[in-house]
Amino acid sequence: AQTVTQSQPEMSVQEAETVTLSCTYDTSESDYYLFWYKQPPSRQMILVIRQEAYKQQNATENRFSVNFQKAAKSFSLKISDSQLGDAAMYFCAYRPPYNQGGKLIFGQGTELSVKP
Amino acid sequence: DTAVSQTPKYLVTQMGNDKSIKCEQNLGHDTMYWYKQDSKKFLKIMFSYNNKELIINETVPNRFSPKSPDKAHLNLHINSLELGDSAVYFCASSQVEGEQFFGPGTRLTVL
Repeated sequence: AQTVTQSQPEMSVQEAETVTLSCTYDTSESDYYLFWYKQPPSRQMILVIRQEAYKQQNATENRFSVNFQKAAKSFSLKISDSQLGDAAMYFCAYRPPYNQGGKLIFGQGTELSVKP
Repeated sequence: DTAVSQTPKYLVTQMGNDKSIKCEQNLGHDTMYWYKQDSKKFLKIMFSYNNKELIINETVPNRFSPKSPDKAHLNLHINSLELGDSAVYFCASSQVEGEQFFGPGTRLTVL
């Protein structure tokens, strides 16, 4: 079964500091996609970053970067220079090959708070 | 321009009623989805449609019936609502292999 696990229900970071959110997944596929989504209190789902499994290079989007360890099936999100607006629920998501319908399989989420 | 829109944003109804949630996307995507987010914020796929054809039905009760009149619309009809159906329902769309764009969600409360 394909599963995604986020073992940190809550995390806290000081403004301007760096925080890392953990995610592990289980799959027997070799070709897939991984995502981090942010859900602020407005409940809108916002894509933060995506990683294609065939790419060895870790994805980066401004202050957000990932550490993708394919063999270990690990996909952590690093947020640098944390800002108050980063406070939100963060979801790690796995997408199997498209012939399985394109669905996203989500982790349980990590609630990130940012202290001023 | 709203990419993926849902109506209504809030829905409060009595147990046993029938209700519908509408979803429209103006991104020209071929695939649309319904996800359910429960009270613990866990998100799970319910349905996926590609070019108006159902391709995923994740063991959802028969009381839930999606309908796709065209590839820009995917509606969700729920019969005989139960307390456990209270949740936030998200519509999303994507191109093949592309990013999924989510609607704003519909918070359904069943009393």
